[in-house]
Parts: sequence; C-alpha cells; structure tokens
Amino acid sequence: AQKVTQAQTEISVVEKEDVTLDCVYETRDTTYYLFWYKQPPSGELVFLIRRNSFDEQNEISGRYSWNFQKSTSSFNFTITASQVVDSAVYFCALSEIGSTLGRLYFGRGTQLTVWP
Amino acid sequence: GAGVSQSPSNKVTEKGKDVELRCDPISGHTALYWYRQSLGQGLEFLIYFQGNSAPDKSGLPSDRFSAERTGGSVSTLTIQRTQQEDSAVYLCASSARQGGTGELFFGEGSRLTVL
Repeated sequence: AQKVTQAQTEISVVEKEDVTLDCVYETRDTTYYLFWYKQPPSGELVFLIRRNSFDEQNEISGRYSWNFQKSTSSFNFTITASQVVDSAVYFCALSEIGSTLGRLYFGRGTQLTVWP
Repeated sequence: GAGVSQSPSNKVTEKGKDVELRCDPISGHTALYWYRQSLGQGLEFLIYFQGNSAPDKSGLPSDRFSAERTGGSVSTLTIQRTQQEDSAVYLCASSARQGGTGELFFGEGSRLTVL
C-alpha cells in the first residue's frame, strides 16, 4: 500500500494564482516526519520543509505555507502568488521512526506548471 | 563543490553489462542514501550507509545490485548484468545527522539507460 498519496498528477496555473498541492499519508507510527521536496528540471531534489508528527502548527515561509492535519493525515502545501520559477515536480515524503530514519517514502509527485 | 556530486550524469549501456555509479557526498556527512527514480515505480529507497556500514540495504531490488562506501565518504553503486528494467535515474543523498531525521541533500542523479 502506498504510504504517501499525491492525488494530483499535474496542475497548471497562471502566474499569480494561488495553488495547493495535496498530500495524504498513512502510518502506524506515532512519531514520524513529513517532508516536501521540489524537483526542478535539473533533476536535483531540493528540500523545502520537514515537520515532525508532534508539531501540527502550520508554517509559512515567504510565499510557501504548509497545513498539517493529523486528523485527516494530510500535509498540504500552498504556494501563494505563484511564479514561473515555481514550475517543478513537488514530492511529499514520509519518514517513520520505526524504520531507518532518512528512509523516505515518497509520493508519486505533482507536476506544477505555472504559465506566464 | 559544496553539494552532493554524482557521476556519470548519463550512462548508456547494453543489456548484460556491468555499471558503476559514483556518489561523493557533502564533506562531513556521515549518512548516505541511494534512491532510484523511474516512471513505473516513482522514487524508491535502495540502501542506507552510516559511515562505511550499510545497516539497511533492504531496498536493493536484486542480488545484481550492490553498493559500498569507503573512508566514510565516496560510495559506489554497482549493477551487474544490467537489464532494461534497471533503466532509471539513480539519486544519491547525504545527511549530517545519523539516520537523517534532518534534511537530506540530494545530488542531480545518474541517468542509466539500458539498451
């Protein structure tokens, strides 16, 4: 069974629109970590954020914000006022305390295209 | 450079040949990981090194795959008798913390094409 589900395969928006990327996870561990990574065309995965399971506080970093809700096992990512440079594949990932830390279970990714 | 370096960036080989992929992690990072990214399977964990030992190699898909790390630094992923299904991008990542609860820094990957 997929531990991380990103239901949106592709999203297209026009510059300056807000966009939310969904992530739903599944784990039996009470301690776990959730991540978002960005993969631009160069191929390198770029770390965006890490949250632990005990911290449900939403986080904002510039135009990026994350909404973590344990009740719905979701960790959604919103880009406000999107820009062309935001075009990339975005991956949500889970790391469980019960397995090798750093062993990330990735979702299939969401391809975001921002048109000028 | 300051980041994770992988070589070659692209490798085309014939079915049945052996290939070696190299990863040079960020200096001082004790944890090193290999992942594979393919269209069919997405991003998959292959193996984890802490120092020179590999406490978790459960993601290696078959005994044709092996990896080693020397000097707590450079790692080599070897695929023997390559098959077409081995075609993928092989990504290496390193982390400063044991177990990588912190940020994993990824390289740009080695794209392997098996003809």
